[in-house]
Amino acid sequence: NAGVTQTPKFQVLKTGQSMTLQCAQDMNHEYMSWYRQDPGMGLRLIHYSVGAGITDQGEVPNGYNVSRSTTEDFPLRLLSAAPSQTSVYFCASSYSGTIQETQYFGPGTRLLVL
Amino acid sequence: DQQVKQNSPSLSVQEGRISILNCDYTNSMFDYFLWYKKYPAEGPTFLISISSIKDKNEDGRFTVFLNKSAKHLSLHIVPSQPGDSAVYFCAARDSGSARQLTFGSGTQLTVLP
Repeated sequence: NAGVTQTPKFQVLKTGQSMTLQCAQDMNHEYMSWYRQDPGMGLRLIHYSVGAGITDQGEVPNGYNVSRSTTEDFPLRLLSAAPSQTSVYFCASSYSGTIQETQYFGPGTRLLVL
Repeated sequence: DQQVKQNSPSLSVQEGRISILNCDYTNSMFDYFLWYKKYPAEGPTFLISISSIKDKNEDGRFTVFLNKSAKHLSLHIVPSQPGDSAVYFCAARDSGSARQLTFGSGTQLTVLP
C-alpha cells in the first residue's frame, strides 16, 4: 500500500513551458485535492475532486487544470508556467465516508519556474 | 483575509516540558479542526482532530482544546520530545464546502535536548 505518490519530486521549468504533476493513490479514496505551499502562507487549495469525472476549483485555481478520469489518478497541469508558480505542490486524498475523515498527503513536488 | 491564523511562526521548548501551539479562526461555519505535522521534504501527516461539538480531544501525548466562543484552538504536547520538532499546521473544514480544508501558515516547533 503506497498511499499517495507524486512525481516528479523536483522540476525546473522555464517561463511559458507546460507540464503535468502526477498524483496517484491506492487507497480507493473518493476525494482528492491539490495544494500549494508557499513561505508564510500555509497550504492553499488549488483544485479538488469528489470523485471520478468531477472536479472543482479551490482558492487559487488560475493557471492550473485538473482532470479525474479514474479514482486513482489526479494530475495537475500547468498550462504556461510563470515564476509566481514556483512553489511546493502537495496532492492529498481522503475517504469521504465519515465526518472524521482526514486527508493523506503525498511527499510533494518542488517546482522552480525561471 | 486569512480565516485560520497561526500567529507564532516559531516556538522553542525544552525536552520534557509542555509545548503549546495556538490557532485562531474567523469563520463560524468551521465544524471540524485538524492538526498536521510536517517534517522537511515530506508531506504533512495527520496528528489529531476535534469536532466543533467537543472542547477537548486527547491522543497520547497530544491534546487539542477548542474554545468556540473565542474561536481559538490549541495543541498541547506533553512531554515534548526532540522528534516532535517539525512544522505544525492547524486546519479547519467549512461545513458547507465539500470538505475543503483551510490551513494556517504553520508554526515551527523546535524541541531542545
